[in-house]
Amino acid sequence: DAKTTQPPSMDCAEGRAANLPCNHSTISGNEYVYWYRQIHSQGPQYIIHGLKNNETNEMASLIITEDRKSSTLILPHATLRDTAVYYCIVRGLRYNAGNMLTFGGGTRLMVKP
Amino acid sequence: KAGVTQTPRYLIKTRGQQVTLSCSPISGHRSVSWYQQTPGQGLQFLFEYFSETQRNKGNFPGRFSGRQFSNSRSEMNVSTLELGDSALYLCASRRLAGAQPNEQFFGPGTRLTVL
Repeated sequence: DAKTTQPPSMDCAEGRAANLPCNHSTISGNEYVYWYRQIHSQGPQYIIHGLKNNETNEMASLIITEDRKSSTLILPHATLRDTAVYYCIVRGLRYNAGNMLTFGGGTRLMVKP
Repeated sequence: KAGVTQTPRYLIKTRGQQVTLSCSPISGHRSVSWYQQTPGQGLQFLFEYFSETQRNKGNFPGRFSGRQFSNSRSEMNVSTLELGDSALYLCASRRLAGAQPNEQFFGPGTRLTVL
């Protein structure tokens, strides 16, 4: 799996958009960008994933640059409950035996009132 | 649909003991993976099972083992516990076929404390 780089921490005001960047300059053509988050002492929660087009679901939007070397996760209206560690991961969509998730350090997002 | 369940949620053991943790995947999910999470090392992959066979293994000593049953439920065992084994142990399942085959869903974890 390609290595990702994320800032270790970010702050965001409640109600504002949180924009979390991720660099994945070595991503290969068949690898997707996945985002998970982990609220303190809970298991990681899947948020969204994408290949090259921007994606949106009820939780967030994912913007992937045209060269696919970086992406941004957007939480449009952050709430206090969005305070968590956010992990950006790249991996292939199809299963193979070596295709386990490799988590980096993630970004600790602190949403403040 | 019920999520991934793990039992027990909390466990306290002493050095030298062994422990067995249990994981029930989401219905229809065939793969179960185990991860260890500690403040110092972060989230680290232990092993993955599907079709009752270990398919992939992380860099952990042989004291860490696992198995999967025909109903896809999985257990992991840690023998001769050490203080450094204190961690949150997470189980994740994925479908492997059909819609979203590779998306992993995590359980709440088992918090193991070794005294």
